[in-house]
Amino acid sequence: DGGITQSPKYLFRKEGQNVTLSCEQNLNHDAMYWYRQDPGQGLRLIYYSQIVNDFQKGDIAEGYSVSREKKESFPLTVTSAQKNPTAFYLCASRISSGANVLTFGAGSRLTVL
Amino acid sequence: GIQVEQSPPDLILQEGANSTLRCNFSDSVNNLQWFHQNPWGQLINLFYIPSGTKQNGRLSATTVATERYSLLYISSSQTTDSGVYFCAGEAAGNKLTFGGGTRVLVKP
Repeated sequence: DGGITQSPKYLFRKEGQNVTLSCEQNLNHDAMYWYRQDPGQGLRLIYYSQIVNDFQKGDIAEGYSVSREKKESFPLTVTSAQKNPTAFYLCASRISSGANVLTFGAGSRLTVL
Repeated sequence: GIQVEQSPPDLILQEGANSTLRCNFSDSVNNLQWFHQNPWGQLINLFYIPSGTKQNGRLSATTVATERYSLLYISSSQTTDSGVYFCAGEAAGNKLTFGGGTRVLVKP
C-alpha cells in the first residue's frame, strides 16, 4: 500500500543531543513537508521541499535542519539549538506544490528529558 | 502569509446532533482543505474544496471564496467523529497554513 512512513513513533532525548526523524514515502510525490504540533495547538510548518536537492524554510525553521537527497526521503534533524523540541512532528507529502491534496504520516512524538 | 481562524475552538455534541464548524481566512486562497485528526494523532484529508460544495456521507463542506470562509457540516454525529478538525488554506507560495482547530467530542 502506498503511504508515508515516519519513524520512530516515540523518541526520548536528553538535552543537548541532536536527533533525526525519518520520513519515507512511496507515493511518488514531489513535494514533502514537516510540521510541528504542540498540545492543543494547530500545525506549524518547519521546512518543505518541492523537488529533490531543494528545500525552503517554513515558519519555525530555527533549530531544525533537513535534507532531500532522494525523492522518497525527507529526514528532519532536531538540533540542540532548538530551545523547546518536545512536540509531535508530522511529515506530509503531495504530488506537487500547488493545489493538491496533502497526505500525512502517523507522526513522531519527541520528548526531551 | 495568510491567517486562518477556526471557530468554535471546542464543541461538545450529543450523539445524533448536527453541527457546523467555520474557517475564516485572511486572503484569497486557491487551495482549501479540511482534515480530521483522530485521538492517536493521524490526520486524514476530508475535503479539498477551494470553492463550492461537496458531500461525503454525513459530512459536507462549503467554501465561499469571495467571502473568504469555509464551513464543515457534521450531520447525525457519531462518537467516531470525535477528534480535532483542521482547515488549511494556501494562497500563492506552495505551503498550506493551518488554523488552530476545532476540538469535537461526541458523547453517546
